[in-house]
Amino acid sequence: EVPLVESGGGLVKPGGSLRLSCVASGFPFSHAWMNWVRQAPGKGLEWVGRIKNGGTTDFAAPVKGRFTISREDSKSTVSLQMNSLKSEDTAVYYCVWEAPEGSFAHWGQGTLVTVSS
Amino acid sequence: ETVLTQSPGTLSLSPGERATLSCRASQSVSSNYLAWYQQKPGQAPRLLIYGASSRATGIPDRFSGSGSGTDFTLTISRLEPEDFAVYYCQQYGSSPLFTFGPGTKVDIK
Repeated sequence: EVPLVESGGGLVKPGGSLRLSCVASGFPFSHAWMNWVRQAPGKGLEWVGRIKNGGTTDFAAPVKGRFTISREDSKSTVSLQMNSLKSEDTAVYYCVWEAPEGSFAHWGQGTLVTVSS
Repeated sequence: ETVLTQSPGTLSLSPGERATLSCRASQSVSSNYLAWYQQKPGQAPRLLIYGASSRATGIPDRFSGSGSGTDFTLTISRLEPEDFAVYYCQQYGSSPLFTFGPGTKVDIK
């Protein structure tokens, strides 16, 4: 098991910002490729973005230019900075460890972000 | 963009029955980079199958995956009470990097 613990979710107004964090343990974090996946209430899963070891990032089209991902290997932490939030960003956000063959092998418990006035 | 379609949307079965879930991709999935996940209410998804047919660690052998190219199948040979959940397929490697299907709900008949 690979414990992943997210934090930072909450209620934010449209146009606002929020920063989510995920602390990992039980594996060599500096080598890990970490992802964020979200799930709107009652809806399916949507990939948000990824950070590779070394810091290269990729993002889904709906969040590109608004969200950034960073990592601090010394603290086994990955963060998702969300700016210019919209109501459609309301979702549970999961921190996910990507296995070497590309599947999402381990998931955190998720943190809820609600964008509403 | 690779779009995944899952069918049926809902599958109503009884414990002990066989479940067959379909996932179809709009274009060929490279190197069979196709995974299946199970999600129960209030829980995070759990990886079941990767590489189209390899079971993840700790997954019972009643779960099996098959297929290639654009057509993939998840089979649950005999449904246990804990298997009633939503199942998602996912492709990885094509643009966008990762996409999920809309899910198939397996519920108790």
